[in-house]
Amino acid sequence: QKEVEQDPGPLSVPEGAIVSLNCTYSNSAFQYFMWYRQYSRKGPELLMYTYSSGNKEDGRFTAQVDKSSKYISLFIRDSQPSDSATYLCAVFSGGYNKLIFGAGTRLAVHP
Amino acid sequence: EAGVAQSPRYKIIEKRQSVAFWCNPISGHATLYWYQQILGQGPKLLIQFQNNGVVDDSQLPKDRFSAERLKGVDSTLKIQPAKLEDSAVYLCASSLGETNEKLFFGSGTQLSVL
Repeated sequence: QKEVEQDPGPLSVPEGAIVSLNCTYSNSAFQYFMWYRQYSRKGPELLMYTYSSGNKEDGRFTAQVDKSSKYISLFIRDSQPSDSATYLCAVFSGGYNKLIFGAGTRLAVHP
Repeated sequence: EAGVAQSPRYKIIEKRQSVAFWCNPISGHATLYWYQQILGQGPKLLIQFQNNGVVDDSQLPKDRFSAERLKGVDSTLKIQPAKLEDSAVYLCASSLGETNEKLFFGSGTQLSVL
């Protein structure tokens, strides 16, 4: 079993749609949960960072963590063509001191 | 603030040849990482340096891959000899402290092994 599972998509939505991206993880030791955005031919950039269960909002983006079910989500409201990218979830444990990435979900927002 | 610099951006080689990648992290960042990202997969950690010491190289194929970080700043990653399955994007990242929950990535080097 992979430590982090993520549906690779691709996901295609019209501009203005609400997008839901999801990951599951296997080890309850993971304490930090992140979403990275990766544009084509670029490196990943940190988009959202959460420590505990619950929601964290930043503009049109909301990250949600449910540690009881080991499930993390990213919601994008009012999606824009500029949101077209690959979204990578990542988990981190201080004990392992290693960032583990999901496979990434490719998102296309069309006008 | 300047980002993580990597070169070259692209490299095409034949199998069994050697290749080297260079990385300059963000100024003041103590920790430097090399990741391998195969098409359609998430980045996989190859090696992590804390200043100029190796913290984790458990997933580095040491029979063909080597890396060094001179004077705790720049780093090079070398592959010798390359195999077809080494075709990937090699990403360098850096972080300010000893733990790596917040990484800053370079644009990567896309390697094609023919």
